[in-house]
Amino acid sequence: NAGVMQNPRHLVRRRGQEARLRCSPMKGHSHVYWYRQLPEEGLKFMVYLQKENIIDESGMPKERFSAEFPKEGPSILRIQQVVRGDSAAYFCASSPNWHRKNQPQHFGDGTRLSIL
Amino acid sequence: QQQVKQSPQSLIVQKGGISIINCAYENTAFDYFPWYQQFPGKGPALLIAIRPDVSEKKEGRFTISFNKSAKQFSLHIMDSQPGDSATYFCAASKGQGGSEKLVFGKGMKLTVNP
Repeated sequence: NAGVMQNPRHLVRRRGQEARLRCSPMKGHSHVYWYRQLPEEGLKFMVYLQKENIIDESGMPKERFSAEFPKEGPSILRIQQVVRGDSAAYFCASSPNWHRKNQPQHFGDGTRLSIL
Repeated sequence: QQQVKQSPQSLIVQKGGISIINCAYENTAFDYFPWYQQFPGKGPALLIAIRPDVSEKKEGRFTISFNKSAKQFSLHIMDSQPGDSATYFCAASKGQGGSEKLVFGKGMKLTVNP
């Protein structure tokens, strides 16, 4: 009974490289949210996706960041040309595809991204 | 503009005591208020949640109190235990417009001394 799976758990990149973070939602869940957490801060929403669709990307930086959730496979958060300020913990959450609002979001254990 | 404000930032209580965490929100369109618990190196885990049509919800040692007119809600942890030592986040969302993104408070670090 796997929960939300994120990998890698830790990722180290040099400035200018690309970072790819993966998230597999809980079984039966088709809604995925990405959040970013800076040290000593709360989580901040980045993007909300359903299968093959971006529903809300109002929290995504306009440049270098992109996200996808293909029909098959995990959701991917991609950061191009990383900078030191991208260092953070990135969390993925999933919720079920029930036709009721306010479904609980279940979080993975995150990817800790460090930029050298 | 911080839409969800959480206080205090940290709290130390003795084992068996009551821990109280407060949150205030600004957006009256919010209609779902969950609390999350996070241990170091882990993701947030949903503890308990409330909707504005009730003023209180209790699950085990955890109780949410909700005051719609004041736009405030709080988490009470009864009989606090050392294992409750963690960071607690309140959050809010509105279930409309297709996106139920959570807006989080900055968190409160709870330490329960044995």
